[in-house]
Amino acid sequence: SQQGEEDPQALSIQEGENATMNCSYKTSINNLQWYRQNSGRGLVHLILIRSNEREKHSGRLRVTLDTSKKSSSLLITASRAADTASYFCATDNKAAGNKLTFGGGTRVLVKP
Amino acid sequence: DTAVSQTPKYLVTQMGNDKSIKCEQNLGHDTMYWYKQDSKKFLKIMFSYNNKELIINETVPNRFSPKSPDKAHLNLHINSLELGDSAVYFCASSQSRAGAEAFFGQGTRLTVV
Repeated sequence: SQQGEEDPQALSIQEGENATMNCSYKTSINNLQWYRQNSGRGLVHLILIRSNEREKHSGRLRVTLDTSKKSSSLLITASRAADTASYFCATDNKAAGNKLTFGGGTRVLVKP
Repeated sequence: DTAVSQTPKYLVTQMGNDKSIKCEQNLGHDTMYWYKQDSKKFLKIMFSYNNKELIINETVPNRFSPKSPDKAHLNLHINSLELGDSAVYFCASSQSRAGAEAFFGQGTRLTVV
């Protein structure tokens, strides 16, 4: 399996509901980032959480990190139709030359 | 102004052909990358350059050759294209430090027929 695996692979919710997705990874990390990809577009950075942080907020986004479980979660509160996209976590670690390693993403569909 | 731009956006070509994808960034970043996204949306790093020097070269066939004429450009040349090369290829750039945010181009959808 790959470093940075998202779960679930797909998520369908109604507008106004919260969307939660998880990411698991295998090796120790420096940082974990979340990215968003709209259909047919490149990835856009959303938020970064460092290995010594446990929770971080940015607008309607809330990210948690549990290094003991090697997992992170991304919560989008009060979802909007415009949040429909794929969401990816990415990890980096010094042993890998600080390269960003992505998982397969979670496809989120927010129905109006 | 587009931060990371790659051309072309779409590329349809026959097996056996040689093709190139160009990438330019105007962010002043030292590090540039090529990623391949397959049909299942999995994103895999192919190459990483820092100040025109190759620093990451994942297990990629020799038919793929990156070229960085300067730190603002990283082009990808592919020889003898195969059906399995069909994918979306993304160029990205970042500052050369841990945790640096990566900026992605819009992608090049390569279809080999």
